[in-house]
Amino acid sequence: EAQVTQNPRYLITVTGKKLTVTCSQNMNHEYMSWYRQDPGLGLRQIYYSMNVEVTDKGDVPEGYKVSRKEKRNFPLILESPSPNQTSLYFCASSYRGRETQYFGPGTRLLVL
Amino acid sequence: SQQGEEDPQALSIQEGENATMNCSYKTSINNLQWYRQNSGRGLVHLILIRSNEREKHSGRLRVTLDTSKKSSSLLITASRAADTASYFCAPSNDYKLSFGAGTTVTVRA
Repeated sequence: EAQVTQNPRYLITVTGKKLTVTCSQNMNHEYMSWYRQDPGLGLRQIYYSMNVEVTDKGDVPEGYKVSRKEKRNFPLILESPSPNQTSLYFCASSYRGRETQYFGPGTRLLVL
Repeated sequence: SQQGEEDPQALSIQEGENATMNCSYKTSINNLQWYRQNSGRGLVHLILIRSNEREKHSGRLRVTLDTSKKSSSLLITASRAADTASYFCAPSNDYKLSFGAGTTVTVRA
């Protein structure tokens, strides 16, 4: 089944404790992206990757890192999480950036 | 940014009625996409309309695009309880989509 998977789905952590949210797609998509969703603000793009080893900042990249070493995986790294990064995070992929995006189920993060 | 802005923010209709929501954006686009999100879940793609198209249908969905006014509309006909969700437009250019805050649609039985 074609899908985008994210892990973990729920995470509670404390300020400053490094964490990684994994994202994997099995559709051989070139483009992958991370978004965060906050009430009243819609989805805002954090980082995106147009292909392996090619990443670029989205609209809200501060406090986040990403890497794209393999086509299927695009992990999101929070080196020192802060409470303002409490949010619902979505990974998405597509053949090309401007085409239909396929979303993962989301990761709900709470930073205390 | 070509971020979409949906209007209205919320919409409540009776089952069987039609629901219409609008999207405005600021810059030129390659295409515009509509997505649905059921409470807290991942977004699901509904329809993509390209900049050289004016209208597109998919089942009970009808999307229009007016590039001169930089606006789009999504019409859901004969609504059902299962249509209760948030709907987002996403203008797209080059390599990214930009989502608005969405329209929350509630369909009453």
